Amino acid sequence: AQKVTQAQTEISVVEKEDVTLDCVYETRDTTYYLFWYKQPPSGELVFLIRRNSFDEQNEISGRYSWNFQKSTSSFNFTITASQVVDSAVYFCALRGGTSYGKLTFGQGTILTVHP
Amino acid sequence: KAGVTQTPRYLIKTRGQQVTLSCSPISGHRSVSWYQQTPGQGLQFLFEYFSETQRNKGNFPGRFSGRQFSNSRSEMNVSTLELGDSALYLCASREPGSSYEQYFGPGTRLTVT
Repeated sequence: AQKVTQAQTEISVVEKEDVTLDCVYETRDTTYYLFWYKQPPSGELVFLIRRNSFDEQNEISGRYSWNFQKSTSSFNFTITASQVVDSAVYFCALRGGTSYGKLTFGQGTILTVHP
Repeated sequence: KAGVTQTPRYLIKTRGQQVTLSCSPISGHRSVSWYQQTPGQGLQFLFEYFSETQRNKGNFPGRFSGRQFSNSRSEMNVSTLELGDSALYLCASREPGSSYEQYFGPGTRLTVT
């Protein structure tokens, strides 16, 4: 069975602060894929980043960066210099190598950025 | 490219009725997955279709079914609606290939009264 845990239910920050969203996962698959999605109030899930299990290189993309650590089964996501438009629910998701299109989602973290 | 489209966007049905939701994937995407989102259970996988075949199925009762057409468009059907079926139903599509991310549509908000 696969499981994704986002321990932070809600986070509140002031604009320009950096914020890190935590994600811990469980899987028995040796190959798997991790994702972060954003869900603004409109409801549509917006893809942010993907990381393959065989690539532990951490990257930065604009204001987004992620820290993938296989040893601790964590896939944390950081927004640098947060903006009000970043306010949304953020979901971490996992897909096993043999799960085809099945994503297992965490419960989501509600991020509120205050001006 | 146009994104994933879902129709209708909002739907109100009565208990016991059935409903059909439609999803058109991004052009060139042959895989379509469906998810149910509720406040209590979060986002849960319903099923996935690829080339008109169901490849994976979540833990939902048989009242939930789906199909995919030759043009990759997909429909899901819920029969004998229950109050607990009220949810946001999201459809996602992706390119063939195991690593590709899924792109989601705006969802259909179903309310069962």
